[in-house]
Amino acid sequence: GQQVMQIPQYQHVQEGEDLTTYCNSSTTLSNIQWYKQRPGGHPVFLIQLVKSGEVKKQKRLTFQFGEAKKNSSLHITATQTTDVGTYFCAGPGDSNYQLIWGAGTKLIIKP
Amino acid sequence: EADIYQTPRYLVIGTGKKITLECSQTMGHDKMYWYQQDPGMELHLIHYSYGVNSTEKGDLSSESTVSRIRTEHFPLTLESARPSHTSQYLCASKGEYNEQYFGPGTRLTVT
Repeated sequence: GQQVMQIPQYQHVQEGEDLTTYCNSSTTLSNIQWYKQRPGGHPVFLIQLVKSGEVKKQKRLTFQFGEAKKNSSLHITATQTTDVGTYFCAGPGDSNYQLIWGAGTKLIIKP
Repeated sequence: EADIYQTPRYLVIGTGKKITLECSQTMGHDKMYWYQQDPGMELHLIHYSYGVNSTEKGDLSSESTVSRIRTEHFPLTLESARPSHTSQYLCASKGEYNEQYFGPGTRLTVT
């Protein structure tokens, strides 16, 4: 069945460092979404990418949709403690009413 | 932030008890979802609904049941709670552009 994979599972960074996390689908996607879940919280919708090669920015976060619409990346510039949490990507399932979720990338700031 | 509510937020209950987790949204969304998530881990879809009187089981086998008598209300019931049901339960609804809005979750502990 359709799968969405995220790498890495954990990302340990020093505050101020940049990082990139990746999302790969086994099938071509019509769109991809990114969510952030703070520790102890619930997932919050960040952004949706629809077009091949699309790049969108939200302050220090840059989201990209691959040319083949099978992968996506999230780049965070100059990480801050407020960035801590788990970032999930998700793509539409067969029915288009459901989402296929990645397992998430957990961002941890090194002390 | 979306208007989706879950009660209770925390619940500790003994084995064998029947419980109902409440979920309500005021956005008029037709599609609603229940996910099970262990802390910091991936989301597992356990039930979804396309609208009133429509309910379907998700990918993760669950001993719970749901009902959808009103658009705004999507309760989940466990007839006989077991320690293996200990988890966080997240309710969500689907917005206009396929994005999902999550409630704050119910953290369930079965002793």
